[in-house]
Amino acid sequence: AQRVTQPEKLLSVFKGAPVELKCNYSYSGSPELFWYVQYSRQRLQLLLRHISRESIKGFTADLNKGETSFHLKKPFAQEEDSAMYYCALKGWETSGSRLTFGEGTQLTVNP
Amino acid sequence: EAGVTQSPTHLIKTRGQQATLRCSPISGHTSVYWYQQALGLGLQFLLWYDEGEERNRGNFPPRFSGRQFPNYSSELNVNALELEDSALYLCASSYTSGGNQPQHFGDGTRLSIL
Repeated sequence: AQRVTQPEKLLSVFKGAPVELKCNYSYSGSPELFWYVQYSRQRLQLLLRHISRESIKGFTADLNKGETSFHLKKPFAQEEDSAMYYCALKGWETSGSRLTFGEGTQLTVNP
Repeated sequence: EAGVTQSPTHLIKTRGQQATLRCSPISGHTSVYWYQQALGLGLQFLLWYDEGEERNRGNFPPRFSGRQFPNYSSELNVNALELEDSALYLCASSYTSGGNQPQHFGDGTRLSIL
C-alpha cells in the first residue's frame, strides 16, 4: 500500500524566514512525487514535481529515497506563500495513475 | 487554455437520492480522475478513466460509478446517497495515463446531503 504523511497540519512562519514543509511516503516501487498548492478561493494547482527538479516560486523539493521524504523548502517565505500545501504520490506499478495525497499543511506567513 | 470545468458548483440532495456530477477535461487530455475531499478525510481517489474505459477505482462502494464519453468528458454518479457522501468532489485531467503527466484539477462540486 502507498501512503503519504504530512506531519504538520499547521505551520506558521514570519516573512523572510526559511520554511520547510515535511512530506514522508511509503511505497515499495519507484514513486513519482508532487507538491500541489491551494491558495485561498482558488483551485488546487501543481507546484512542482520531483522529476523536473525545478524551482517554482522559490520553492524546491528533493526526493530522498533513503529517508523516503520529499520535503518542500523555501529560503525566504513571502506573505503570498500562505496557502494549503499537499504532497502527493503516484505509484505507477501498483496503482496506475492515481494520486495518493497527504492530509495537507496549512502554511501561514506572517508579516 | 481553458482549465478543467466541473458542474454544478453546488448540489443539494437528500438521503437515498441519486447525484450526477460532470467534468470537462482540458482540451487534448484523455485521462480523467475523480477524487473525494470529505471533511477530516483528505483527498481520496475515486475513479480513473482513460480513453473511455474505467482503469482503476479507489476503495469506494459500487454505488459510486461513472463513465467517460467519446469527447473525454466524464460523469460521476452516486446512487442511494448517504449523509457521509457530503463532500467536495474534484475532477482532474491529464494528457495521458502513463509517465509523469501531472494532473490538473477543477474547482470541484460541493455535494451536500440533507
